[in-house]
Amino acid sequence: DVKVTQSSRYLVKRTGEKVFLECVQDMDHENMFWYRQDPGLGLRLIYFSYDVKMKEKGDIPEGYSVSREKKERFSLILESASTNQTSMYLCASRPRFFGRAGGTGELFFGEGSRLTVL
Amino acid sequence: EDKVVQSPLSLVVHEGDTVTLNCSYEVTNFRSLLWYKQEKKAPTFLFMLTSSGIEKKSGRLSSILDKKELFSILNITATQTGDSAVYLCAVSLLQGAQKLVFGQGTRLTINP
Repeated sequence: DVKVTQSSRYLVKRTGEKVFLECVQDMDHENMFWYRQDPGLGLRLIYFSYDVKMKEKGDIPEGYSVSREKKERFSLILESASTNQTSMYLCASRPRFFGRAGGTGELFFGEGSRLTVL
Repeated sequence: EDKVVQSPLSLVVHEGDTVTLNCSYEVTNFRSLLWYKQEKKAPTFLFMLTSSGIEKKSGRLSSILDKKELFSILNITATQTGDSAVYLCAVSLLQGAQKLVFGQGTRLTINP
């Protein structure tokens, strides 16, 4: 069974703290993504990675950074948390090739990490 | 800028009703359109659509894509309280690791 695991389901941090959100997938997927989800705004892409040590900015990268040192692990880092980063964070993964090569092209999501910054 | 818009944002109906959820998009390099259902946790995959006019069906749920008018609909017939969820529409692009651009979601509530 495919699995994307996010290390923390709920976190409460203070403004200015450094925050690490970890994501691990066991499906040998090349592509990994970090989204944040806010009411009325849907899912917005923060960063994505298509290979080890490769990363690309998504639509809202400001205030975030990422790390992909191993294929199965994609970390999201908030260098100095702020209250406007209070949100639900969703990690997802997907194989590089699908469609005719197999698979539906769906993203496989983790359970989410709900971060509150006070 | 790539954009996906869902409507309505919120919908409340009675059990047994039929609902239609809408998704329109304006993107460069369209690859496919996906529907997800999200209850309390991670979104779960429903359908992927790549060709116009071909209905995808799973039980009481069905979906169709119109690539000329740039929209998709998700139909749910004979709704049940277990259908209550946020329904997400997303468009997969050909570039950028085939990233998905999501709409805002439609929150569907089914009352008994």
